[in-house]
Amino acid sequence: KQEVTQIPAALSVPEGENLVLNCSFTDSAIYNLQWFRQDPGKGLTSLLLIQSSQREQTSGRLNASLDKSSGRSTLYIAASQPGDSATYLCAVRLITGGGNKLTFGTGTQLKVEL
Amino acid sequence: DGGITQSPKYLFRKEGQNVTLSCEQNLNHDAMYWYRQDPGQGLRLIYYSQIVNDFQKGDIAEGYSVSREKKESFPLTVTSAQKNPTAFYLCASSIVRGSNQPQHFGDGTRLSIL
Repeated sequence: KQEVTQIPAALSVPEGENLVLNCSFTDSAIYNLQWFRQDPGKGLTSLLLIQSSQREQTSGRLNASLDKSSGRSTLYIAASQPGDSATYLCAVRLITGGGNKLTFGTGTQLKVEL
Repeated sequence: DGGITQSPKYLFRKEGQNVTLSCEQNLNHDAMYWYRQDPGQGLRLIYYSQIVNDFQKGDIAEGYSVSREKKESFPLTVTSAQKNPTAFYLCASSIVRGSNQPQHFGDGTRLSIL
């Protein structure tokens, strides 16, 4: 059974710092990996989707990498801002099984302080 | 604007009562999903549907039921058999075709026990 782990569970950084969030998964037979952002009491917003054949994806100050063989992904946030404060979740879609089913990690709660 | 609408935002259930959570999407997506989120945990899949009049159990379907009579709608009923229903419930949708389509989420319904 696929297990997805995110470390650290919580992170507090000063504004302007570059930071890395980690995601690891146990089954490397994946279609893709997604990073989401969740604000308190809200749903999830998709940030980046990396296909299994890709190594990384970039959107603005965000860069996500994927190393399928080692079962790891990182989300790099450059020049962090207080507005980046949220919980960040990664999720993987397995090749086996029907549907676009995702297995989620438990998230990293990020706080960017002034 | 296209999106996913969940209602109500907050819901309270009495002992022995069934309650229904609404999820409507106007994205013309074939697939819809229901997730449960507990504090400090990732999202867990309850049910999903890839086409009208068809749905599949997810990882934690016991105590829940769904229907998919229309493409736009995927209501979730939390039955009295679900002994620990207090959680944040998220609905999502996606395109089915192709392996690399992101899931889009609603803003959630928070269910509590009276």
